[in-house]
Amino acid sequence: GESVGLHLPTLSVQEGDNSIINCAYSNSASDYFIWYKQESGKGPQFIIDIRSNMDKRQGQRVTVLLNKTVKHLSLQIAATQPGDSAVYFCAENTPSYGKLTFGQGTILTVHP
Amino acid sequence: DADVTQTPRNRITKTGKRIMLECSQTKGHDRMYWYRQDPGLGLRLIYYSFDVKDINKGEISDGYSVSRQAQAKFSLSLESAIPNQTALYFCATTPAGRTGGTQYFGPGTRLTVL
Repeated sequence: GESVGLHLPTLSVQEGDNSIINCAYSNSASDYFIWYKQESGKGPQFIIDIRSNMDKRQGQRVTVLLNKTVKHLSLQIAATQPGDSAVYFCAENTPSYGKLTFGQGTILTVHP
Repeated sequence: DADVTQTPRNRITKTGKRIMLECSQTKGHDRMYWYRQDPGLGLRLIYYSFDVKDINKGEISDGYSVSRQAQAKFSLSLESAIPNQTALYFCATTPAGRTGGTQYFGPGTRLTVL
């Protein structure tokens, strides 16, 4: 039978606010994590990554936090802009798999 | 990103037809991947290739086949298309030595099977 599409989590913020997008990952053996941004009609684009031996990494306006104890990853976007509106995916790399596993995604909408 | 290109960008086909989606990359990467994306779902891996002679099934390979014609080219075929293969298809690449590391995606192919 047909599968039913899931509703993605959504986050709506005002321009200038800080945004926090969360992701729970599945495998405690995962050693590398990536956040991707996907704008409408485009392929996913790399934003920032973090290795499992770190708990925080900062980029330009973005910060990724990793909590291995509870297998949680978050992406913080400072001073969110309308151009940040997109779907955001986390991905985990598990060495034994040799490939990435992607999360479901979160829709971020930024209102001017 | 022009480094990874996909053709066609949009395709409408009928049930039972054979269709090929093509991916080319100029990044010089050894590893290439095919994913499908359905509304409300994440990316699911169909096939991946670590080099020209190495092809591996992903989590949803049934109904699909691939060909790695060269380092830069990786094509995905639907042998006999069915409506539940209607989806957005993405090709991605990664440099060798970075197992499952940062992947660079093409713009996607939107496939509709009637």
